[in-house]
Amino acid sequence: EPEVTQTPSHQVTQMGQEVILRCVPISNHLYFYWYRQILGQKVEFLVSFYNNEISEKSEIFDDQFSVERPDGSNFTLKIRSTKLEDSAMYFCASSAAGGLYNEQFFGPGTRLTVL
Amino acid sequence: DAKTTQPNSMESNEEEPVHLPCNHSTISGTDYIHWYRQLPSQGPEYVIHGLTSNVNNRMASLAIAEDRKSSTLILHRATLRDAAVYYCIPVRGSQGNLIFGKGTKLSVKP
Repeated sequence: EPEVTQTPSHQVTQMGQEVILRCVPISNHLYFYWYRQILGQKVEFLVSFYNNEISEKSEIFDDQFSVERPDGSNFTLKIRSTKLEDSAMYFCASSAAGGLYNEQFFGPGTRLTVL
Repeated sequence: DAKTTQPNSMESNEEEPVHLPCNHSTISGTDYIHWYRQLPSQGPEYVIHGLTSNVNNRMASLAIAEDRKSSTLILHRATLRDAAVYYCIPVRGSQGNLIFGKGTKLSVKP
């Protein structure tokens, strides 16, 4: 069964450093998402991406964040200068035709620890 | 986005049916009702979704009230693997961004 994969599974970084979280969505999917979950809290929407551009973003997704689909398979989330409060589990998701009518498939997540 | 109210937690016995309620009284006419669950230490997982009619799939059934202000997720025979946090999410817009609440933590006793 096709699945969303994410690398690395765990990333430790120093405050102020840039990190890139990588996702490989399911191959024929067209809609891509990033969510995050701070330990013990609810899952929060960050950004959705379709047709090579951002469709919607939340208040959390400020200028420190960017997303890119550099080739036909990868979807990346970059945090330019990490803060302690960026420590969280980051989940990538993809959907065949938009999440209103279709399910989103989530990856296993990348745990980001900012020291 | 429509606000949802779900019980914080529920308990079930293995192999018994479970009814997980959700109140979404501010839902708009075009919002779809999605249910996702999150098993411990995993990403969210789609369960089922519907608009107005009741829906069934291999995982669960979804019963939607006639006025659409509430819905109930039905697991017909709970297994230990169904222990998870269940989220009821009204979804609008073609992107279908998911706005998660706190959900219901389901415990299943053997």
